[in-house]
Amino acid sequence: GESVGLHLPTLSVQEGDNSIINCAYSNSASDYFIWYKQESGKGPQFIIDIRSNMDKRQGQRVTVLLNKTVKHLSLQIAATQPGDSAVYFCAWGQAGTALIFGKGTTLSVSS
Amino acid sequence: EPEVTQTPSHQVTQMGQEVILRCVPISNHLYFYWYRQILGQKVEFLVSFYNNEISEKSEIFDDQFSVERPDGSNFTLKIRSTKLEDSAMYFCASRGRTTSETQYFGPGTRLLVL
Repeated sequence: GESVGLHLPTLSVQEGDNSIINCAYSNSASDYFIWYKQESGKGPQFIIDIRSNMDKRQGQRVTVLLNKTVKHLSLQIAATQPGDSAVYFCAWGQAGTALIFGKGTTLSVSS
Repeated sequence: EPEVTQTPSHQVTQMGQEVILRCVPISNHLYFYWYRQILGQKVEFLVSFYNNEISEKSEIFDDQFSVERPDGSNFTLKIRSTKLEDSAMYFCASRGRTTSETQYFGPGTRLLVL
């Protein structure tokens, strides 16, 4: 069977490594998915989004992968930097409606 | 770059008191949201607002909560009689015209109910 990444509450990486953060979403009717970065004491900051008609989207140093079969979303960060240290949340919904947030993953980048 | 702003950044209140949290959404946005985040937990939806009325609300958003857009720029969340469990970060978010646009979040108001 197909394996999917586990959601981990924390992820520690070395500077320059690639990071992969996983998320499982619950609503198969969702058609819009988004990753937010939250630094301590701040609001969620948009990173990248993807619609359900796509399975991959790339941004600057970030890639989001969507597997609708197993309701799994991942965020890949290339060449992770100390400034990437934060809590990362996935969120999903139908475009325009309230977002449902997943559990966060705390990314710690050591130099 | 335009951003959502919120005031105050911190609010301490006594249980049973009323609080009003204020937000200024991005100027050309039409859809507005309030979310909250209890310390260490995930972000939870409270309410969405469009065209001067509530378009969606969660179970959390009970009769103690209300929202208002009193003028062309502000969007407020009122909690009539605060409870200890209302202590959380409250985030305002706004979105533009099209259904595909992202919700942009403000920096939040940290509410502490004693």
